[in-house]
Amino acid sequence: QQQVKQSPQSLIVQKGGIPIINCAYENTAFDYFPWYQQFPGKGPALLIAIRPDVSEKKEGRFTISFNKSAKQFSLHIMDSQPGDSATYFCAASRGSTLGRLYFGRGTQLTVWP
Amino acid sequence: KAGVTQTPRYLIKTRGQQVTLSCSPISGHRSVSWYQQTPGQGLQFLFEYFSETQRNKGNFPGRFSGRQFSNSRSEMNVSTLELGDSALYLCASSWEGFADSPLHFGNGTRLTVT
Repeated sequence: QQQVKQSPQSLIVQKGGIPIINCAYENTAFDYFPWYQQFPGKGPALLIAIRPDVSEKKEGRFTISFNKSAKQFSLHIMDSQPGDSATYFCAASRGSTLGRLYFGRGTQLTVWP
Repeated sequence: KAGVTQTPRYLIKTRGQQVTLSCSPISGHRSVSWYQQTPGQGLQFLFEYFSETQRNKGNFPGRFSGRQFSNSRSEMNVSTLELGDSALYLCASSWEGFADSPLHFGNGTRLTVT
């Protein structure tokens, strides 16, 4: 079954807007939660990652919010730009087996100029 | 530093044939993982190799196999191809495959089975 559930499937925002992508997981053994960005014809590229001992992490315009009790985490993109148009994947793994990531189904983001 | 290199970029095979895909990890990385990406199932883990040993395996049939060489380069093989094997196959490498050693993906091999 899907170990990481991601929503929405697609998202359209205006330039400057703040798209929010949500993910939920069930396995409490997960302790590493990365987000990947994928452009057409390219492999996924790591954006930002978080561990459950922090509730928020920012890197540039990208912020992860983490709610351990709800087993949910989300990606916020501040001041979104047309160049951010891509597919975003959340993922989870146990730190001891980082090579095995469980991915969400992805969110196709479109940022209109 | 060169990224993860996968060859070939595109492959067209016929049902029943077998195929071998190649992956060269980032220099110094010892862990290599393989993923299958399809519109229907998304990104699914195939297997992971570390120091020439398979460390993890996903839920794929035995037709899917892999190996890693002493220089960390890896190959995956799919035998008796089926139409449903058409997918983008992604290779990812990391220094150790655990702790704070993120996965870096290649651009994939697009396999089409006719």
